[in-house]
Amino acid sequence: QSALTQPASVSGSPGQSITISCSGTNDDIGDYKYVSWYQQHPGKAPKLMIYEVSNRPSGVSDRFSGSKSGNTASLTISGLQAEDEADYFCSSYTSKNTPSYVFGTGTTVSVL
Amino acid sequence: ELRLLESGGGLVQPGGSLRLSCAASGFIFSNYAMTWVRQAPGKGLEWVSAISGSGATTYYADSVEGRFTISRDNPQNTLHLQMNSLSGEDTAVYYCAKAQGPGPYYYNGMDVWGQGTTVTVSS
Repeated sequence: QSALTQPASVSGSPGQSITISCSGTNDDIGDYKYVSWYQQHPGKAPKLMIYEVSNRPSGVSDRFSGSKSGNTASLTISGLQAEDEADYFCSSYTSKNTPSYVFGTGTTVSVL
Repeated sequence: ELRLLESGGGLVQPGGSLRLSCAASGFIFSNYAMTWVRQAPGKGLEWVSAISGSGATTYYADSVEGRFTISRDNPQNTLHLQMNSLSGEDTAVYYCAKAQGPGPYYYNGMDVWGQGTTVTVSS
């Protein structure tokens, strides 16, 4: 299973908005609504931020939003805060070869 | 409080075996699919295996198919991962995670994660 493609790093100033892209194919993002996003701080377990493309779990700030267009999913963080500095991973169901699950390569978000 | 607690990690020689466990609490364990995800040192997340709530259906990444076996003991609220023929590429922190919603599907997001258990394969 090939990983989804994310930019290695994205940065922004406090209060700004940033968007992280996640590029896949017709076998994953393009054909299914099962795209999730996870936040991971150093030494900690991942945390679910978005599921099924654009749904936020209870307790996740509404500054986080997700969307999808074609084979690319996106996570937007509005009103960037210092606590948002972390690694972010997208993920998707995939039907390529054996149906399974694939994560993105990961993006490090820096708050300047 | 929803909680997952992994155990069983450690140092193992190449070619060896290890069995990981994940104790669940705070939710109806049998209602949710469960997943193992690993993270090699300094690397990203890698999906390893998943199992339906009943345990009847299992799924594996190509990298572990035939070597790893996922199972669950619903009365004991415990998830397992039997790992055989281990190599250095299996060195990672292994996380267990719960599916976001009830039902047979593991791929609609994972909303509860354990703290992880470290597996090191080295001679």
